[in-house]
Amino acid sequence: GAVVSQHPSWVICKSGTSVKIECRSLDFQATTMFWYRQFPKQSLMLMATSNEGSKATYEQGVEKDKFLINHASLTLSTLTVTSAHPEDSSFYICSANRGRLAGGTYEQYFGPGTRLTVT
Amino acid sequence: GQNIDQPTEMTATEGAIVQINCTYQTSGFNGLFWYQQHAGEAPTFLSYNVLDGLEEKGRFSSFLSRSKGYSYLLLKELQMKDSASYLCAVRDWRSGANNLFFGTGTRLTVIP
Repeated sequence: GAVVSQHPSWVICKSGTSVKIECRSLDFQATTMFWYRQFPKQSLMLMATSNEGSKATYEQGVEKDKFLINHASLTLSTLTVTSAHPEDSSFYICSANRGRLAGGTYEQYFGPGTRLTVT
Repeated sequence: GQNIDQPTEMTATEGAIVQINCTYQTSGFNGLFWYQQHAGEAPTFLSYNVLDGLEEKGRFSSFLSRSKGYSYLLLKELQMKDSASYLCAVRDWRSGANNLFFGTGTRLTVIP
């Protein structure tokens, strides 16, 4: 079954408003979660790494004041898109590391994604 | 940085075998992943390679050559439901927190 959930699965908002997306790890603690954005017919682009209890690490070109990330507990990270604009319309996906693989790395489980449409 | 390259689109026939290639350049290689993604859905894990060689999982196999910066995903006995995007992703330990960096994805269409 699913190990990472996201809410909402889709949202439509008006330009200029803010939208919060939740990412939860189910039945396990995730000190680190990742937020990705995916435009139609394109691959996933890492936006930021969310660290429990500390500030998120943003990838180059991602505005931290526009995409606010909060990782207040070991099972929840939130992404808030502030003052959304139509160009922010995209598929937002979170993920969390769980389970060690050979070589010491972790398998990354993805949430089901949130489709954001800004009108 | 990471340069991950894979073909944009491929078409194959039901029942056939298809190989999807991926080349990468990264300074701190710590594993290569293949994910399957159906339109509008999150990626699902298919395979992981950290050492050279072939990993087999049922109809899916993945190969890695670290010296060549090359991997492929092999899909056998293709089914219509295999029509999806296949994402090659590399983990780079130098970026911290075991981030995954994705290629552009290969959109596979399986035809009858």
